[in-house]
Amino acid sequence: DTGVSQNPRHKITKRGQNVTFRCDPISEHNRLYWYRQTLGQGPEFLTYFQNEAQLEKSRLLSDRFSAERPKGSFSTLEIQRTEQGDSAMYLCASSLGQKPPLHFGNGTRLTVT
Amino acid sequence: DAKTTQPNSMESNEEEPVHLPCNHSTISGTDYIHWYRQLPSQGPEYVIHGLTSNVNNRMASLAIAEDRKSSTLILHRATLRDAAVYYCILSLSLNNAGNMLTFGGGTRLMVKP
Repeated sequence: DTGVSQNPRHKITKRGQNVTFRCDPISEHNRLYWYRQTLGQGPEFLTYFQNEAQLEKSRLLSDRFSAERPKGSFSTLEIQRTEQGDSAMYLCASSLGQKPPLHFGNGTRLTVT
Repeated sequence: DAKTTQPNSMESNEEEPVHLPCNHSTISGTDYIHWYRQLPSQGPEYVIHGLTSNVNNRMASLAIAEDRKSSTLILHRATLRDAAVYYCILSLSLNNAGNMLTFGGGTRLMVKP
């Protein structure tokens, strides 16, 4: 068990640029989740996948955000035309089915200048 | 979703027990109670979960009130490494959303040497 891996750990981008983050879940886990966390707040749910199917999306996930999990393994989260309000920590988690626990990665910190 | 209420912060002395309270007066009969913690610069880490009965694991104990309107996370001997934000979360368990957790603000635990 190597844990959930997220890359990059940090990303600084200029407003209006596109960014993509990658998450590698624990290998046998069929569920993968994306959360966003702003400073001083708890993580907020964005979306989740069961295998390659995206089953739920939060209203927080604007149309500038897209997530994929093409082969049911790793996932990418892309933000198009970034805005300063997108600055946050983006956390990925995985689980085996719907039972706890969620295993979180250490996140990708995005700074939009 | 049923909400939880936690104190913003608590202090503890090293090697003493810590009792972290959580109120969830609107909990439904099928809601599980989860606790996660988040150390600085890391993703959340699963601590424990339960439904009705008290639960113990190697990290902590979870004491659930008989009416389930409150619970307490017990760290038996706090160490400096236990300094973190502790989140008490309720989850729906009778549908596929069992792991779509809604985090609140949590309790910041400070441990004094």
